[in-house]
Amino acid sequence: NAGVTQTPKFRILKIGQSMTLQCTQDMNHNYMYWYRQDPGMGLKLIYYSVGAGITDKGEVPNGYNVSRSTTEDFPLRLELAAPSQTSVYFCASRQGANSYEQYFGPGTRLTVT
Amino acid sequence: AQTVTQSQPEMSVQEAETVTLSCTYDTSESNYYLFWYKQPPSRQMILVIRQEAYKQQNATENRFSVNFQKAAKSFSLKISDSQLGDTAMYFCAFMIAIQGAQKLVFGQGTRLTINP
Repeated sequence: NAGVTQTPKFRILKIGQSMTLQCTQDMNHNYMYWYRQDPGMGLKLIYYSVGAGITDKGEVPNGYNVSRSTTEDFPLRLELAAPSQTSVYFCASRQGANSYEQYFGPGTRLTVT
Repeated sequence: AQTVTQSQPEMSVQEAETVTLSCTYDTSESNYYLFWYKQPPSRQMILVIRQEAYKQQNATENRFSVNFQKAAKSFSLKISDSQLGDTAMYFCAFMIAIQGAQKLVFGQGTRLTINP
């Protein structure tokens, strides 16, 4: 199993551009999460999904959108990128309600200039 | 509000020493999980140890152990016989249930350096 994979690893965007961060897991996990980690800080939840077709906002959702059309994929869309969105983005997955461990992807470092 | 506080931004010890990282949290929940995650320079988030709030016995994983004080809402991590590979950011995290999704709330992290 590859676990949780994220693409790209690095990206530089200009202010106002848009992009999609890809996240795929091959563990058949129901729950998936997107976090952002600002320099010197812990992770903050952006959006989460409890299954295909179901998504909900986390702590810091403004400026982002998600979709969950399949169990495996959970892309994060940035519209009109702003410097405040410069961060490292982590995708994570968890099997289900009775499991405790979240499995994290390697992260995407995004810089908006 | 659910919060996690790590009061030590940085710590540094010599190899083979024992080091304790502090964490406090705030919640009105009675049942929850607590975790310590390690983030080495590779950025990968690695689960080090977990503790269920309903268990009084402190969790242990090899050289890693916790001191869980539920009444004080304290959850410290002790690393014994520290190794160079333990150098990393360490995050304390707390799992709460939000509409069944059980999201993690992270502290700000402690940067631990093990010196040779």
